Amino acid sequence: QVQLVESGGGLVKPGGSLRLSCAASGFTFSDYYMNWIRQAPGKGLEWVSYISSTSTYTTYADSVKGRFTISRDNAEKSLYLQMNSLRAEDTAVYYCARDKDGGGRGAFDIWGQGTMVTVSS
Amino acid sequence: SYELTQPPSVSVSPGQTARITCSGDTLPKKYAYWYQQKSGQAPVLVIYDDRKRPSGIPERFSGSSSGTMATLTISGAQVDDEADYYCYSTDSSGYHGVFGGGTKLTVL
Repeated sequence: QVQLVESGGGLVKPGGSLRLSCAASGFTFSDYYMNWIRQAPGKGLEWVSYISSTSTYTTYADSVKGRFTISRDNAEKSLYLQMNSLRAEDTAVYYCARDKDGGGRGAFDIWGQGTMVTVSS
Repeated sequence: SYELTQPPSVSVSPGQTARITCSGDTLPKKYAYWYQQKSGQAPVLVIYDDRKRPSGIPERFSGSSSGTMATLTISGAQVDDEADYYCYSTDSSGYHGVFGGGTKLTVL
């Protein structure tokens, strides 16, 4: 079935790095824009980044620009988020989500279950 | 930075109509999207492109947009509709997404 599965979360010290992965199955991954969205404990959703279907376009929220890098491997049907210079405020559940219509518009029709990232000393 | 504003909470009795609003300066030119998130679960898309409903979403969910405000309407709300609801859109450039702060819907 159509699904996204995130992995790579964990506990990291401030200033450290982490790489999240999102494995796609059940659909033609290379046809879709993909996004990372996060949710701090007890807080609302925050859009983080998107990447176009062929990796031509990437964009980031101001809160992570210059520290996070989104990428994808269409052959492996995988999405990635490289997170550097992590801060306590980056602590959150990180979701990957498929944009069903492309163009970064926002119709996120498939979500993963999320992976928890905790930044603490 | 761009913001979307939602009321923190809305409360209705079962069978009543619940309306959740979302205001933002670019909504006259950008689509609004609505997500339902139940406790401990990933969000679910319930409305896209202001008023379209994905397959599998009950007809009691509808969306509209006028000027700087988008509205999610749940007609005949059910106890099972209790959840947090988030609106989403983009800034004027279209390159940065933003979620509203979320609205907790209580049906009791």
